[in-house]
Order: sequence, then structure tokens, then C-alpha cells
Amino acid sequence: DARVTQTPRHKVTEMGQEVTMRCQPILGHNTVFWYRQTMMQGLELLAYFRNRAPLDDSGMPKDRFSAEMPDATLATLKIQPSEPRDSAVYFCASGLVPGELAKNIQYFGAGTRLSVL
Amino acid sequence: DAKTTQPTSMDCAEGRAANLPCNHSTISGNEYVYWYRQIHSQGPQYIIHGLKNNETNEMASLIITEDRKSSTLILPHATLRDTAVYYCIVRPRGSNYQLIWGAGTKLIIKP
Repeated sequence: DARVTQTPRHKVTEMGQEVTMRCQPILGHNTVFWYRQTMMQGLELLAYFRNRAPLDDSGMPKDRFSAEMPDATLATLKIQPSEPRDSAVYFCASGLVPGELAKNIQYFGAGTRLSVL
Repeated sequence: DAKTTQPTSMDCAEGRAANLPCNHSTISGNEYVYWYRQIHSQGPQYIIHGLKNNETNEMASLIITEDRKSSTLILPHATLRDTAVYYCIVRPRGSNYQLIWGAGTKLIIKP
């Protein structure tokens, strides 16, 4: 059963520390999305990649957030330095273009729950 | 993109059909209606989508009114595992695959 894998599932850190979240998209998928979910803002798109190249990162705070795809099987989202307001659940999703993503079918991971103290 | 309006919450008895409404009165001709759901502590999951015809798959049915201003997601025989937040999303056809998420409907299936 193919699925998007995110690690870690939970992360507690102190303000000012660097946080790295990892995502393994479904094998063969060429598009990866990073989302953030909070009670106040709901689900927000931070950035997305196609064939490892960033297509849109306009939703991401540029001063402290960075997203990369070192290879086709790994996407990372880093926060440096982290702040309490970054506390949220971060989701990665993947899809295939052309194919199911053309129908806007995105496959989500289980998320990383981040708490910044 | 057109906005959607959904009830904040709904209840349904286990085994009955759950009918979740969505209003999208400003929808334009090339905009699709998508439904995703999010079970507690999980990522969102795609359910179904449509343009103007009614659609059915193994999970649900989507009924779109003739004027396309509203739609209803139907879970024919709801189970406790269908308790989740259901999101109705409208977005135009095209190469931009971004989805704009609202607050959704919290559906609670009761035994």
C-alpha cells in the first residue's frame, strides 16, 4: 500500500532551535506539497515542488523557513530559528503529473506535530 | 477562486446515509468541486470530484445541482470510521494544483 511517509511524527523543541522535517513521497510521484495546519488558520500551502524544482513557495516565511528536495525520494522542510508561533502540524502531500494530480488528487502523509516551547 | 460554504458540524446515525451540503454560488463554468476528508490525527484524504455530472465511486456519491451553485456529498452507509472533517473545495481547471481549504464540516457518526 503506497503512502507518503513523514518523520518525525512528533517534535518538541525550544525556541531558537533548528527543526528539520522529512517527507518521502510515493514512489514515482513527481510533485510534492508542504502544508501547515493550525486551529486558527486551518490548512495552508507553504510550498510545492515539481520534479524536485520549487514551483511556488509564496506561502512560506522566507526568513526562517526553507524547503528542498535533495533527491526524488526525499523532501525536507527546515525552520531556523524556530519560534513558538511555528507550532502546528506540518503535512507533506505528493501527486503525479500528468495523471492523478491532473484531477487534483493529492496523497497526504500523517503529518509532523511540532511544538516550539 | 469561488468560495464554499459548509455547515460547521453535522450528526448522522451509524448505518444511515450521511448527506453533506456545500454551497458554491459563485462557481464559474470551468471550476471543479472536490471533496476531501480528514480523520482525527491523520492527513486529508481525497474522496471524489466533479464538474457538472453526478459522480460515484467506492467511497461516496457527489450530487451537483443543475445550476452548479451547490452540491451534496453522500456517504451511503455511514460507519463510525467516517467521523471526520469533510472539506468541499472549488478550483478552476488548469495546471496550478493548489487547493484552497476552508473550515469544512465536522461529521460525527453516532452508534
